[in-house]
Amino acid sequence: DAKTTQPTSMDCAEGRAANLPCNHSTISGNEYVYWYRQIHSQGPQYIIHGLKNNETNEMASLIITEDRKSSTLILPHATLRDTAVYYCIVRVAGGAQKLVFGQGTRLTINP
Amino acid sequence: GAVVSQHPSRVICKSGTSVKIECRSLDFQATTMFWYRQFPKKSLMLMATSNEGSKATYEQGVEKDKFLINHASLTLSTLTVTSAHPEDSSFYICSEVLAGRNEQFFGPGTRLTVL
Repeated sequence: DAKTTQPTSMDCAEGRAANLPCNHSTISGNEYVYWYRQIHSQGPQYIIHGLKNNETNEMASLIITEDRKSSTLILPHATLRDTAVYYCIVRVAGGAQKLVFGQGTRLTINP
Repeated sequence: GAVVSQHPSRVICKSGTSVKIECRSLDFQATTMFWYRQFPKKSLMLMATSNEGSKATYEQGVEKDKFLINHASLTLSTLTVTSAHPEDSSFYICSEVLAGRNEQFFGPGTRLTVL
């Protein structure tokens, strides 16, 4: 799987938009970008995924650059409960494909 | 999303004993389950891929005789840590893959402490 690069940590004020960047410059044409998050002492939670088009769901928006070498996860109105480690993962489609977790970004939402 | 449960959520055992962790898919049938391990302040590391009715596929460096995986049904996979040692103390997490879906759904994790 292609490697991803994320900042180690970020802070964001409650109520503001949290923008989490991810670099994946070696991504292949058939690899998707997935985002998961892990709240302390819990299992990871799926957030969103995309191939090349921007995606939006009830949790977040995913913006993928045209060359697909980077992406940004946007939490539009961050709350304290969004404090977690956010993982950006690239892999081919197909649920049976394993996920390889990097170190992720530790996002802290401040009141 | 799918609901995955793990039991127990927390276990403390003595060194040398064996511990079984259960991973259940509560609302779907999962042909594939994954087992991960996470040490404090570290990321998740995949241990093995478990397919219903067949032998698990272990990642490099994971001892298959120490971490026994059984996936006897489409809703249950078990991980048994045999002859546990303090260095096996970790957070063990399973995930399931649903047929036709692209995302994995994770269980809440089991915290194992070996004294």
